[in-house]
Amino acid sequence: GAVVSQHPSWVICKSGTSVKIECRSLDFQATTMFWYRQFPKQSLMLMATSNEGSKATYEQGVEKDKFLINHASLTLSTLTVTSAHPEDSSFYICSAIGGSSSYNEQFFGPGTRLTVL
Amino acid sequence: DAKTTQPPSMDCAEGRAANLPCNHSTISGNEYVYWYRQIHSQGPQYIIHGLKNNETNEMASLIITEDRKSSTLILPHATLRDTAVYYCIVRAYTGTASKLTFGTGTRLQVTL
Repeated sequence: GAVVSQHPSWVICKSGTSVKIECRSLDFQATTMFWYRQFPKQSLMLMATSNEGSKATYEQGVEKDKFLINHASLTLSTLTVTSAHPEDSSFYICSAIGGSSSYNEQFFGPGTRLTVL
Repeated sequence: DAKTTQPPSMDCAEGRAANLPCNHSTISGNEYVYWYRQIHSQGPQYIIHGLKNNETNEMASLIITEDRKSSTLILPHATLRDTAVYYCIVRAYTGTASKLTFGTGTRLQVTL
């Protein structure tokens, strides 16, 4: 099946710094990628939809200036958490659509755990 | 997308079948039923999906009622590694990328 990777798998940063998380589709071209956030013991919440070569579409309540998304190629999307604060600590998961599936299946990455001190 | 309702938790003995129910009474004719699972601290894993016919793959079976208002995911021989949160999601296939909206899911605990 299609493989999606994320880097880093975990990161700890100081409050006020920016953190970049990468999402890569390893064996297929992803026309669309999604970014989710998951707080402890909660479900996944969609943050934004990212289409290659165009601006991301953010869900209501997600600050586009704080969570910068770049989808510059068909295999890479990045999420940058700018001026991170402790309340941004969460599990960030990306997914990608593409490959040979005719049903636009989403393939998920393993997630990145962000801890802001 | 239609809303789904799942029990918050279930237990299953290892080796037995795990039957996870899902209600989706407002499902539309063009909406599919998808099942994903999430093992602790990992990304979700696709299990199976269907429109109106029962489906089976190497992981599970999906039984959809004739009126499509509910479905059951069946893990025929549950193992400890099947312990996870299982999400039932209803989604339209529009031919273009469409969002997955995750509910609270069912936390399945497989025990010895």
